[in-house]
Amino acid sequence: EAGVTQSPTHLIKTRGQQATLRCSPISGHTSVYWYQQALGLGLQFLLWYDEGEERNRGNFPPRFSGRQFPNYSSELNVNALELEDSALYLCASTRDRGQGEQYFGPGTRLTVT
Amino acid sequence: GEDVEQSLFLSVREGDSSVINCTYTDSSSTYLYWYKQEPGAGLQLLTYIFSNMDMKQDQRLTVLLNKKDKHLSLRIADTQTGDSAIYFCAESIEGSQGNLIFGKGTKLSVKP
Repeated sequence: EAGVTQSPTHLIKTRGQQATLRCSPISGHTSVYWYQQALGLGLQFLLWYDEGEERNRGNFPPRFSGRQFPNYSSELNVNALELEDSALYLCASTRDRGQGEQYFGPGTRLTVT
Repeated sequence: GEDVEQSLFLSVREGDSSVINCTYTDSSSTYLYWYKQEPGAGLQLLTYIFSNMDMKQDQRLTVLLNKKDKHLSLRIADTQTGDSAIYFCAESIEGSQGNLIFGKGTKLSVKP
């Protein structure tokens, strides 16, 4: 069974640009979660999607947004990039809506210069 | 409020047992998890325990849960150099909106 996959592995952008990160959940999983892991700040919850709908978001500004497609894959968009958006962005999936063990992908390392 | 605390560093010798500790504040936790993160990688789910259990063993890993003290520990028997990584404790809260609450992670260093 393939795990959670994310692309790209690395992304380098300049301040003010937009970044798009992609995630494919484990086959059969319908919920996708996005987390930000910034240096010194630990893992912080960003967004949760299930069945194509945004179900919850963490304490992040609206320039962090995303969507979930009919095949349950998901996209995270970050607009008007700031230097402090530089982080590892991790995607996780669960089989059941909002519960059960979360399996993580390898992450996308976003660097904003 | 929701808070998960872990000590930041632990150093052990190869072959010894490692014990990584975690405390949490929310008494309505449903599941508690241990994840491992190697340098430059994502999080690997090691094990988890349901909040009505007090112990779970899985090969070299033993999880102990003390609900009264809201204390969770992960014991790694016969620690190997390949166990060097950051270990995160996380909780899911009953009625929460899906997300896990993570501790800041414990960096385990294994000396040969």
